[in-house]
Amino acid sequence: LAKTTQPISMDSYEGQEVNITCSHNNIATNDYITWYQQFPSQGPRFIIQGYKTKVTNEVASLFIPADRKSSTLSLPRVSLSDTAVYYCLVVPTGNTPLVFGKGTRLSVIA
Amino acid sequence: DVKVTQSSRYLVKRTGEKVFLECVQDMDHENMFWYRQDPGLGLRLIYFSYDVKMKEKGDIPEGYSVSREKKERFSLILESASTNQTSMYLCASSFRADPFYEQYFGPGTRLTVT
Repeated sequence: LAKTTQPISMDSYEGQEVNITCSHNNIATNDYITWYQQFPSQGPRFIIQGYKTKVTNEVASLFIPADRKSSTLSLPRVSLSDTAVYYCLVVPTGNTPLVFGKGTRLSVIA
Repeated sequence: DVKVTQSSRYLVKRTGEKVFLECVQDMDHENMFWYRQDPGLGLRLIYFSYDVKMKEKGDIPEGYSVSREKKERFSLILESASTNQTSMYLCASSFRADPFYEQYFGPGTRLTVT
């Protein structure tokens, strides 16, 4: 399973764009990149998934360069309610369990 | 919306007690999972199940067992609770077609063993 590395914590002011980068140097050809968000006292929830280039949904954008050895989750104009832990996962196809790392704790400040 | 419910949000048990944590999902998902989450360690997979009566060990199965008698219900059992099992326990479910594409998590049970 590809190991992921992401910053332990980040701070941001409200209204700013936040970019969280994750490195996954030994990602395999069939692996996808997935991000989950976890609020305090709740279970994680799926945010976005991608294979290459750019994916955008109503919550975030995911940028994946051509070599796929890293990815960047972009949160536009964060608010206090975006304070959470964000997990980057490399997900292989087939029946292999998800591996959650320690995530990035994002704190949004007014 | 997918709903995954867990029997208790908070639970306090004594060392040596047998503890049952129940999880129910209402979306007819084939796959169900149990994780524990501890500060600084992230989420760790205890057990998972691809179908009724099937189970697979995760990364940290020691001290735990599971039961899946019905498709919608997945139980985690602590045969003899110990203080090092004090943790947040999270249940999740997903469709079989792509079992690890998107998992839906319950709200968690915070278990304290004294």
